[in-house]
Amino acid sequence: QQPVQSPQAVILREGEDAVINCSSSKALYSVHWYRQKHGEAPVFLMILLKGGEQKGHEKISASFNEKKQQSSLYLTASQLSYSGTYFCGTELDRGSTLGRLYFGRGTQLTVWP
Amino acid sequence: GAVVSQHPSRVICKSGTSVKIECRSLDFQATTMFWYRQFPKQSLMLMATSNEGSKATYEQGVEKDKFLINHASLTLSTLTVTSAHPEDSSFYICSASDRYAVTEQFFGPGTRLTVL
Repeated sequence: QQPVQSPQAVILREGEDAVINCSSSKALYSVHWYRQKHGEAPVFLMILLKGGEQKGHEKISASFNEKKQQSSLYLTASQLSYSGTYFCGTELDRGSTLGRLYFGRGTQLTVWP
Repeated sequence: GAVVSQHPSRVICKSGTSVKIECRSLDFQATTMFWYRQFPKQSLMLMATSNEGSKATYEQGVEKDKFLINHASLTLSTLTVTSAHPEDSSFYICSASDRYAVTEQFFGPGTRLTVL
């Protein structure tokens, strides 16, 4: 039930862009994106619902392709504060799982000045 | 945003003892709370779903007799690690949500458990 995230790690220079992908073999109800700094709890970025949509949050946006059960997180003009591990959490059919999230293994993003 | 607290933030115990971790939603009513375990540099693994006033639903492979969950009120869920062993050492994180709303899960700050 765990989604697959890629790449495992990304190293960027400040101002560069990155894309993180998340795919599932199961039909999804929603995809949640979180960022976690070392030793801290995950911080919510955004949620995308089935039906296919794209959302934006400052310079961070995401899309959800329902047909492919894939979501991508786009980070543009990266800042030092973007460093951390990004997780996608997938929610399966809501009626049976009632909000349970299954997380990918994470993508470690490092932004250098 | 909504705030979820966890207590304690860090605990060290001897092998064989039991440890209780509390998860509280401070400014909203959480009909559902979730417990995760995270090993170093690994993903968050869902352990169980805790619903207020009913038995918790455990994920496959999680021992319900070892990880006791109680959701006594709409703002409090507890996880008790019974007869803890060194392999139970991990980062335990809870999250809370309103199961009837399509919304994000609000995560607590986590509890670092070290079993000697």
